[in-house]
Amino acid sequence: SQQGEEDPQALSIQEGENATMNCSYKTSINNLQWYRQNSGRGLVHLILIRSNEREKHSGRLRVTLDTSKKSSSLLITASRAADTASYFCATDASGSGSRLTFGEGTQLTVNP
Amino acid sequence: SAVISQKPSRDICQRGTSLTIQCQVDSQVTMMFWYRQQPGQSLTLIATANQGSEATYESGFVIDKFPISRPNLTFSTLTVSNMSPEDSSIYLCSVEVLSGYGYTFGSGTRLTVV
Repeated sequence: SQQGEEDPQALSIQEGENATMNCSYKTSINNLQWYRQNSGRGLVHLILIRSNEREKHSGRLRVTLDTSKKSSSLLITASRAADTASYFCATDASGSGSRLTFGEGTQLTVNP
Repeated sequence: SAVISQKPSRDICQRGTSLTIQCQVDSQVTMMFWYRQQPGQSLTLIATANQGSEATYESGFVIDKFPISRPNLTFSTLTVSNMSPEDSSIYLCSVEVLSGYGYTFGSGTRLTVV
């Protein structure tokens, strides 16, 4: 089964609102990454947070990591219609040999 | 970050045939990863391809069904053999150029088996 579980599975919001997606995982990790996928195409790397970090920012993105709860959240502020996509978390588990394990993904729809 | 050229972008194939997918990276990388994404689902790792050695397959995937070549540090192919409709998926390659800075993905190959 997948290492990561994400919720919600689908999220629909209006432009300008914030979107929050959550990810949980099961084993120790080196880092956790978030990716975006548009229309079933290739994935785009958004942000990586290391296991010793608690929060990271990149533009309108804010990622938190709670290793005690084995969970992470991705916040997109001031959303735009162009943010409509599927978002996946992926964990680089300790001892995995750099292999990523992906969560189930959240389908975000931002309505103009 | 790296740039990956993945071909073909899509194909419709007859059952029982094979399709070879290619990924070309613009820089040398030690490991390349091949994923499958079934319709409406997340990504599942098929195998890890190292140059000069046999690929390492994940549970549920076998070399006879998904043979992989890795002739040099910038190129790899994945073949989907003896295809059935259940193989209809998006197949993606991926590399990590610099440890700790995320992975780059190819644009994917959307395969439909009829």
